[in-house]
Amino acid sequence: GAGVSQTPSNKVTEKGKYVELRCDPISGHTALYWYRQSLGQGPEFLIYFQGTGAADDSGLPNDRFFAVRPEGSVSTLKIQRTERGDSAVYLCASSLGAGGYEQYFGPGTRLTVT
Amino acid sequence: KQEVTQIPAALSVPEGENLVLNCSFTDSAIYNLQWFRQDPGKGLTSLLLIQSSQREQTSGRLNASLDKSSGRSTLYIAASQPGDSATYLCAVRGAAGNKLTFGGGTRVLVKP
Repeated sequence: GAGVSQTPSNKVTEKGKYVELRCDPISGHTALYWYRQSLGQGPEFLIYFQGTGAADDSGLPNDRFFAVRPEGSVSTLKIQRTERGDSAVYLCASSLGAGGYEQYFGPGTRLTVT
Repeated sequence: KQEVTQIPAALSVPEGENLVLNCSFTDSAIYNLQWFRQDPGKGLTSLLLIQSSQREQTSGRLNASLDKSSGRSTLYIAASQPGDSATYLCAVRGAAGNKLTFGGGTRVLVKP
């Protein structure tokens, strides 16, 4: 079956611009996660949705970052006033539910802020 | 705060040798531990998931052990092949919450 998909695969933007990154989870998965991976490091947690609500947004670095999942399926990560330090690979994952379920990752969106 | 460490950061072995990858974590109150593989420029592929009540999991040439009390997990890859070259990441899910905390990964090169 189809895995987690993310669009775009690459995004180059200028400092100060607004960007949106999209994640389409595996069908039927109620839990969705966003992580950020800088070069040479492991991914870092940003936010977790259970259904439509953000159950844990403790990893969002500041108020320029925001994510939504209005219908409990597709999610969009929004970054305002981008900074060069936001450059990273943004990974999305989904799982059947909360608890001990395996998380399945998408291919990521590589964001470059010039 | 949970911290996950993977040592070594990089490893190079000749084809056929067994690989041993180490992962340690500071807080033993975990729900489960997951091992991933990441190829350059790609996302993460889940290899094995070990629940906190389990001691090990096996899949083909891969075997992962978990010693929760000492905060350690080991991934064994038997009879390595050049196609095993990748970065291997371990991640733990805490007993409270659903996020994964990742180690920095071990970059493996299997030379033919």
